[in-house]
Amino acid sequence: GAVVSQHPSWVICKSGTSVKIECRSLDFQATTMFWYRQFPKQSLMLMATSNEGSKATYEQGVEKDKFLINHASLTLSTLTVTSAHPEDSSFYICSASKGGGTDTQYFGPGTRLTVL
Amino acid sequence: GENVGLHLPTLSVQEGDNSIINCAYSNSASDYFIWYKQESGKGPQFIIDIRSNMDKRQGQRVTVLLNKTVKHLSLQIAATQPGDSAVYFCAENLGSGGSNYKLTFGKGTLLTVNP
Repeated sequence: GAVVSQHPSWVICKSGTSVKIECRSLDFQATTMFWYRQFPKQSLMLMATSNEGSKATYEQGVEKDKFLINHASLTLSTLTVTSAHPEDSSFYICSASKGGGTDTQYFGPGTRLTVL
Repeated sequence: GENVGLHLPTLSVQEGDNSIINCAYSNSASDYFIWYKQESGKGPQFIIDIRSNMDKRQGQRVTVLLNKTVKHLSLQIAATQPGDSAVYFCAENLGSGGSNYKLTFGKGTLLTVNP
């Protein structure tokens, strides 16, 4: 149990276009979902935290108008990279937890975004 | 700001040997720690966790040790196998709920197991 999926697994887009990444909890309800980005050979950096039905909370330095997060249901959160640029190319990973506090975060397989 | 760091960025071991991966943390308020394994091109995979009221926890072939006095966390892998080759991250959580449920990840250690 506690499986998280992401779609697509990889995407290539042109500079200036927008890309939407989906994160789904397949067998549990995720009260909270998290979005991370990871550059090559680096650690995961938290971008934002989203609770179902609420606005996402963004980490310092993350542009909320560029990285739009929607958590419309207890099993789905989406991250939209608007007006993507080459510097947005990265590995985007979501995680989901059943509740707040120290509940385990279950990670998705990640989405590789390449902006040309 | 405070963050979680690692002593060794890379570790190479022979198959069958035991591996020890270390992590130093600086936030004394953290009370929940997790080790993740990440294979190339994949998301992190939960290995084992420990809360601050414990100093040792064992799983299958893995043991996590927590030394709160020196703010040190380690992951021990027994009888390391080629399939254990991956990047290992420690992560900390303040654990008091509300806005403190975020995970802060360390830099990661690349473990290479030689056959």
